[in-house]
Amino acid sequence: GEDVEQSLFLSVREGDSSVINCTYTDSSSTYLYWYKQEPGAGLQLLTYIFSNMDMKQDQRLTVLLNKKDKHLSLRIADTQTGDSAIYFCAESRGGSYIPTFGRGTSLIVHP
Amino acid sequence: GAGVSQSPSNKVTEKGKDVELRCDPISGHTALYWYRQSLGQGLEFLIYFQGNSAPDKSGLPSDRFSAERTGGSVSTLTIQRTQQEDSAVYLCASSWRDSSYEQYFGPGTRLTVT
Repeated sequence: GEDVEQSLFLSVREGDSSVINCTYTDSSSTYLYWYKQEPGAGLQLLTYIFSNMDMKQDQRLTVLLNKKDKHLSLRIADTQTGDSAIYFCAESRGGSYIPTFGRGTSLIVHP
Repeated sequence: GAGVSQSPSNKVTEKGKDVELRCDPISGHTALYWYRQSLGQGLEFLIYFQGNSAPDKSGLPSDRFSAERTGGSVSTLTIQRTQQEDSAVYLCASSWRDSSYEQYFGPGTRLTVT
């Protein structure tokens, strides 16, 4: 299996919450990230969490980390059409500067 | 105060030709990364530069791929004798050395090999 796995698609209605899930295999992962890629653009770092944290909240974004299950999620509250993009989960371990990325989840927000 | 820039934005080339892709990182960033994003795939790491250290080339898929970084700033990724499977978006990112978790990405170069 792949090192970082995510579902490929998620469709939500505008105003609802979106939850994008990710699983990873490396128990020594130190940093876990969420990146957003809009059409025709590069990746933009949304948020990151250190492995010694369980949760991080930043405005409409909530990141939850279950280290035991190696599961990371990104919750977007009050999802807007502007949130439509591909969301990439990534992880890296201490001493390595090279993250491993998942394949990305395409979030489609419809009215 | 510009972000990471890449050129060209699009490149169409014939199979067997050589191509050069350019990346201008954010001024002052000492770390520079090249990734490849193929359709439906995640980002594939290619090469990492950090200051004056020897680059980490462990992700380069074949010896047709090479990269250099001149003066610790601009980087060029070269693909020799291009093949159709090289078609992808090539992304460059830069960061401060001790903030590798905060990489800034360029918009990418879309390479199409016909």
